[in-house]
Amino acid sequence: SYELTQPPSVSVSPGQTARITCSGDALPKKNAYWYQQKSGQAPSLVIYEASERPSGIPERFSGSTSGTVATLTISGAQVEDEADYYCYSADSSGNPWVFGGGTKLTVL
Amino acid sequence: EVQLVESGGGLVQPGGSLRLSCTASGFTFSGHWFTWVRQAPGKGLECVANINQDGSEKYYVDSVKGRFTISRDNAKNSLYLQMNSLRVEDTALYYCADPPSNFWGQGTLVTVSS
Repeated sequence: SYELTQPPSVSVSPGQTARITCSGDALPKKNAYWYQQKSGQAPSLVIYEASERPSGIPERFSGSTSGTVATLTISGAQVEDEADYYCYSADSSGNPWVFGGGTKLTVL
Repeated sequence: EVQLVESGGGLVQPGGSLRLSCTASGFTFSGHWFTWVRQAPGKGLECVANINQDGSEKYYVDSVKGRFTISRDNAKNSLYLQMNSLRVEDTALYYCADPPSNFWGQGTLVTVSS
């Protein structure tokens, strides 16, 4: 079955740049989506189609893909960005869609 | 306003069954793939099953194949998940979702325990 691999945790100080990676064999062909989940809340989209930002998402959030690795970058991370982040994509045939294991971002 | 409202969760013994429902409003339900996503306590997100717009394509994670059935009724703007032969490891919060569209319900909790 298809898998997306994320680091379990990333830690930065406020104002630093946080980078969260997601590795998957089909990422050169299939876009990654990124979700933020704060404690007790449903996930919410922060990046779609690899690098697009939904309305209302701060400009400090950006996405990119290089080869089999998609990256969520938070430039100038803030304390309120502390959350779990998940990548989401499909295998090369278009199904199944899967989530990565999630990355806990700590900003302190 | 987009709304997805799940129901049907609860406490069930191992081997038992539950049927989850999700009622949608505020958008054209029949135009979207839908997914049941679950999250076990303290764990990550897992796609359990998804279904295409007219119900002709369905996909399941290996751990639920043969036990869970996803379905939809576009006339009722509703999505369903029939869960049979439930196991302790199926305990989770179950979300009805179209993740790429950022449509999520609030989740319904399924607890499998004796």
